[in-house]
Amino acid sequence: EVQLVESGGGLVQPGGSLRLSCAASGFTFSSYSMNWVRQAPGKGLEWVSYISSSSSTIYYADSVKGRFTISRDNAKNSLYLQMNSLRAEDTAVYYCARWGGGITDYWGQGTLVTVSS
Amino acid sequence: EIVMTQSPATLSVSPGERATLSCRASQSVSSNLAWYQQKPGQAPRLLIYGASTRATGIPARFSGSGSGTEFTLTISSLQSEDFAVYYCQQYNNWPPLTFGQGTKVEIK
Repeated sequence: EVQLVESGGGLVQPGGSLRLSCAASGFTFSSYSMNWVRQAPGKGLEWVSYISSSSSTIYYADSVKGRFTISRDNAKNSLYLQMNSLRAEDTAVYYCARWGGGITDYWGQGTLVTVSS
Repeated sequence: EIVMTQSPATLSVSPGERATLSCRASQSVSSNLAWYQQKPGQAPRLLIYGASTRATGIPARFSGSGSGTEFTLTISSLQSEDFAVYYCQQYNNWPPLTFGQGTKVEIK
């Protein structure tokens, strides 16, 4: 069974940093690209970032470019999102999602990031 | 960036009735269109990909159609567990991956 478990969310002040993690199991993590998608409270889904299986290709949404860094450790079956210079508008539930066959086919349960003073 | 527009924002349907949800793309996305279901407090679940292919374990009452810029998700006979928010997503021209704003299917 595919499982994705996010962690690392919490309350952080504007301008602060946070590192999210996503632990993957139930599939060969090193063979799949991964994404981060977020959802602000009461709002829709917003794609944040993509990383290929070997980390050779990385993309970011314009809203986070230059502030967020996606990475992965295939030996640890883990995906990460380093978030710096956080703003109030970054407040959201952050989901990691597997990229399977060109679609986001499995999603974790998400971790809440709140940016507030 | 391709903009995805869903209608209506809210759909009120009685259990057992048919629900029809629409999704329009600002330019052609071919058949690279997915639908997701999200219940309160839960992660999105993939329902349909390739505009019309049901994902693993998805009941046959869910069907998708369309290509290019116009797409439809149909739930043939609504069950109590189907009341949720539904999102469409294009993956034809990315980054960025883009989602519609969602359609909430509520009990009439």
